[in-house]
Amino acid sequence: QVQLVQSGAEVKKPGASVKVSCKASGYTFRSYGISWVRQAPGQGLEWMGWISGHNGNSNYAQKVQGRITLTMDTSTSTAYMELRGLRSDDTAVYYCARHGPGILYYFDYWGQGTLVTVSS
Amino acid sequence: DIQMTQSPSSLSASVGDRVIIGCRASQSISNYLTWYQQKPGKAPQLLIYAASSLQSGVPSRFSGSGSGTDFTLTISSLQPEDFATYYCQQSYSLPWTFGQGTKVEIK
Repeated sequence: QVQLVQSGAEVKKPGASVKVSCKASGYTFRSYGISWVRQAPGQGLEWMGWISGHNGNSNYAQKVQGRITLTMDTSTSTAYMELRGLRSDDTAVYYCARHGPGILYYFDYWGQGTLVTVSS
Repeated sequence: DIQMTQSPSSLSASVGDRVIIGCRASQSISNYLTWYQQKPGKAPQLLIYAASSLQSGVPSRFSGSGSGTDFTLTISSLQPEDFATYYCQQSYSLPWTFGQGTKVEIK
């Protein structure tokens, strides 16, 4: 069965960087894209960016453009999200989510989430 | 960016009620509309994609309709496990955006 397992919670100081991993299993990793979505405490969902499993191309939301990098390691079926220059409003649960088949770009499987807390 | 507006933001309903949640896009998105359910402390789960296609394993009491700018999610007979927050999401154009959510609470 498809599973996305994310790395554990992180506590970071303002200005630091965080790198969250998302290990996929149960499907052909390179056949699907991965998006990253975050959710601040008590708030809604915010799409941050996606990476293509086919060619590693990525696209980012303007709000985090310049601070975010999405990568993947096909040898371990793992996707990564690095966010730099952390601020207090980056405190959130970060989810990775697999794209469904085709070009509709919905998210059919999600990781369990990784809480990133930014605090001095 | 395409803005997604859900209505209502919250509602109270009883088990067995028919519940309808609306989602409006700020411009036409064809049928590039997805619905998710999220329970507290859990990741969102896919319910409906392409506006009206039921994801495998999702109970048939959930249905979606609409095209263009106006969409609805209907729960035909609310069950105890359906109390949750529901989000719509457009994937017509980048950046992909979500509605603000509709919280369905027990009356």
